[in-house]
Amino acid sequence: DIQMIQSPSTLSASVGDRVTITCRASQSISVWLAWYQQKPGNAPKVLIYKTSSLENGVPSRFSGSGSGTEFTLTISSLQPDDFATYYCQQYNSYPYSFGQGTKVEIK
Amino acid sequence: EVQLVESGGGLVQPGGSLKLSCAVSGATFRDSAMHWVRQASGKGLEWVGRIRSRLNDYETAYTAAARGRFTISRDDSKNTAYLQMNSLKTEDTAMYYCTRLSGTKGLDYWGQGALVTVSS
Repeated sequence: DIQMIQSPSTLSASVGDRVTITCRASQSISVWLAWYQQKPGNAPKVLIYKTSSLENGVPSRFSGSGSGTEFTLTISSLQPDDFATYYCQQYNSYPYSFGQGTKVEIK
Repeated sequence: EVQLVESGGGLVQPGGSLKLSCAVSGATFRDSAMHWVRQASGKGLEWVGRIRSRLNDYETAYTAAARGRFTISRDDSKNTAYLQMNSLKTEDTAMYYCTRLSGTKGLDYWGQGALVTVSS
């Protein structure tokens, strides 16, 4: 099974900051990685799919990059609505797996 | 607008069974692979399993924790997917989400979740 390791687990940042979250896969997943945002009490929402493709309606301050085993989610200028928990997920092979999550908190 | 609505959650004793439903509207259900993801309170997301479409012979796949105890099925005439859970354990307590895999786009639509509590 493929393990997904996210870092950091928690991130404290201010509005306007550039934020980067890293996701590492235990084996190559090619480009089959998605990023989700989840706010308390809500279902996750897909932000990025296939490593770097922006889901419809997602602000352009979100971007993704990487391939193989190393991936990043970048928020270019953190906005108040972005304080949430972010998960990476591989969908290269079954069983699909998620990272443990990164909580982005207000500094 | 695509909507997924789960139902069937509740309180069940260890060793018991529960069946969750996921009704889908606004999308071509019969062509979609349907997945279940769970989340224990305060914890991360855990993929549970999926069922593919008729074109892919309704093939199922499960995580190790679900294999042998959980069964995913679907009724295309009702636009509904199901998660049958047997031999439930306290560690199965979680919010269960149904979600749709959209080709290469990952899990693009999610239900609001159904809470399953396994406790004596």
